[in-house]
Amino acid sequence: AQSVTQPDIHITVSEGASLELRCNYSYGATPYLFWYVQSPGQGLQLLLKYFSGDTLVQGIKGFEAEFKRSQSSFNLRKPSVHWSDAAEYFCAVAPSGGYNKLIFGAGTRLAVHP
Amino acid sequence: EAGVTQFPSHSVIEKGQTVTLRCDPISGHDNLYWYRRVMGKEIKFLLHFVKESKQDESGMPNNRFLAERTGGTYSTLKVQPAELEDSGVYFCASSPWTGESYEQYFGPGTRLTVT
Repeated sequence: AQSVTQPDIHITVSEGASLELRCNYSYGATPYLFWYVQSPGQGLQLLLKYFSGDTLVQGIKGFEAEFKRSQSSFNLRKPSVHWSDAAEYFCAVAPSGGYNKLIFGAGTRLAVHP
Repeated sequence: EAGVTQFPSHSVIEKGQTVTLRCDPISGHDNLYWYRRVMGKEIKFLLHFVKESKQDESGMPNNRFLAERTGGTYSTLKVQPAELEDSGVYFCASSPWTGESYEQYFGPGTRLTVT
């Protein structure tokens, strides 16, 4: 069955430290991959996406992600975390193509220490 | 441009009652999706409208849930009768029909508590 795994439920980092959030997916074909962020009281906001081309994609707010087919991974990174990055992050796959349903991971809640 | 709006933001009802959630998508977006997140679990797909037609309703949990999108604009999701396990946050999202952005724009969600 198609699934998305985010192994880290909670992560705490210090402001200014680097960040990597892990995402692994189980899907046979070339996936459409997304990272969304949800800040308190807000809806989910798209950070970045991948569906073809360069496997290193840049997103908003200084985030990037790298698609590694051999590892079935799409990890999210940021070189220097800001206190405003504290939020919940969701990795998602669109198994049927771009404008169809998303399958989400369980989310990673990020806390940032000053 | 207004984003996706959902009403109400919170709803507390008793088991056996009926609740109707509303979603207003971004104007001009033909795709409309409903998702649900039960506490501590992942966000799960419920169904997908293209205009007023149900494109995919494979995620609807049972026949106590009824979604409509009359006229291809706003959508409602009715739960009747509500059960305890229906508690969670219900998200609506919308997207355009064409283009390569593939972004689904999410509303802030409706938190439903069934007691």
